[in-house]
Amino acid sequence: DIQLTQSPSFLSASVGDRVTITCRASQDISSYLAWYQQKPGKAPKLLIYAASTLQSGVPSRFSGSGSGTEFTLTISSLQPEDSVIYYCQQLNSYPLTFGGGTKVEIK
Amino acid sequence: EVQLVESGGGLVQPGGSLRLSCAASGFIFSDHYMDWVRQAPGKGLEWVGRIRKKVNSYTTEYAASVKGRFSVSRDDSKDSVYLQMNSLKTEDTAVYYCARVGRGFDIWGQGTGVTVSS
Repeated sequence: DIQLTQSPSFLSASVGDRVTITCRASQDISSYLAWYQQKPGKAPKLLIYAASTLQSGVPSRFSGSGSGTEFTLTISSLQPEDSVIYYCQQLNSYPLTFGGGTKVEIK
Repeated sequence: EVQLVESGGGLVQPGGSLRLSCAASGFIFSDHYMDWVRQAPGKGLEWVGRIRKKVNSYTTEYAASVKGRFSVSRDDSKDSVYLQMNSLKTEDTAVYYCARVGRGFDIWGQGTGVTVSS
């Protein structure tokens, strides 16, 4: 199984800060990676697919990069509504797997 | 409006069975693979299983933790996907989401809660 390791698991930043979350895969997954945002009590929401393609309707402050085994999700200017949990997911091979999540807090 | 609505969750004893349903609307259901994902209380996301579309013979994939106990099926005439859960264990307690497979899981239901407890 492909393991996805997200770091950090928790981060605290100020409104307007640039924030970066990393997702490392245990083996090469090409660009078969997606990022999701999950608000408390709600279903996850797709932010990024194919490692770097912004899903329709997602604010442009979100961006993704990487390929192979190392990927990043960047929020260029953190907003209060971004203070939630983020997950990466690999879609390269079965079983599909998710990272452990990163909780983002506003200072 | 494009949406998925799950139903069928509830309280069940260990060893029991439950069938979850997910009704789709607002898109051509038969054109999409459909997946189930679960989230145990206070935990992260866990992929459960997938069913492909008719052209792919409705084949399925499962996580090792549920293989042999859970079964995904679909009825394209009813725009619905199902998760049959047998031999339930306490560790199956979670919110279960159905999701549409696009370039990633682009549409999610609101989730339905399953509690396995005596």
